[in-house]
Amino acid sequence: AQTVTQSQPEMSVQEAETVTLSCTYDTSESNYYLFWYKQPPSRQMILVIRQEAYKQQNATENRFSVNFQKAAKSFSLKISDSQLGDTAMYFCAFFSGAQKLVFGQGTRLTINP
Amino acid sequence: NAGVTQTPKFQVLKTGQSMTLQCAQDMNHNSMYWYRQDPGMGLRLIYYSASEGTTDKGEVPNGYNVSRLNKREFSLRLESAAPSQTSVYFCASSGLGTQPQHFGDGTRLSIL
Repeated sequence: AQTVTQSQPEMSVQEAETVTLSCTYDTSESNYYLFWYKQPPSRQMILVIRQEAYKQQNATENRFSVNFQKAAKSFSLKISDSQLGDTAMYFCAFFSGAQKLVFGQGTRLTINP
Repeated sequence: NAGVTQTPKFQVLKTGQSMTLQCAQDMNHNSMYWYRQDPGMGLRLIYYSASEGTTDKGEVPNGYNVSRLNKREFSLRLESAAPSQTSVYFCASSGLGTQPQHFGDGTRLSIL
C-alpha cells in the first residue's frame, strides 16, 4: 500500500521569506501523480500544484514550485515570497491507477507579518 | 460555479441516530469520493465510486454505507452513529484518469 509522510507537523516563517515543506512517499508503482493541497482556516481543500511522475521537469505555479526526486521518493513544496494568505494546512497526496488519493498527515504553515 | 456541493454544513447527532450526508457535483465527473478528516490528520478515504453504478470501500469504511444515486450525486449514510464518527466529512469528484479531485466545503459532524 502507498504511504505518504510529512515529517514537519508545523512550520512558521516571516512574510516574504521562502519556505520548503517536505513530503516523502512509498510506492512500488512507476506511474503515478503527486499533489499538494492547501487547507486554509475556511476548511476548503484547494489544489496548489500537481506533478506527473513520468515528467522529469519540476512543476511550478507562480510562487509555488516542487522539487520532485523520483528515485528518493521525495516531493517537496517551495513557496517563494510567502504571503499572509499562505497560512494554512498543507497536504501532500499520492494518486495512482487504483483511483485512490492517499494523503499525508499535513503541515501547519504560519506566515507571520 | 457550484462545483461540489455538500449538505448539511454542520450536524449534531445523538449516539444511535442515523444520518445521510448529501453530495452533488455539476462538473460531469465520473468519480466521486467520501473522506473523513480527524483533528491533526490528513483525509482518509471512506468509500469511492469510480463511475455511476459502482462503489468500493476505502481505508475506513466500517460504520458507513454509500449510494451513487446518479452521475451527479453520491450520498454517505451513517446507520447508527457513534462518537468515533465525529469528524469533518469531505466529498470530492474527479474526471477521467488522473485529473485532480475537486472538494466540497465539508460537513462538520458531531456525535454526542
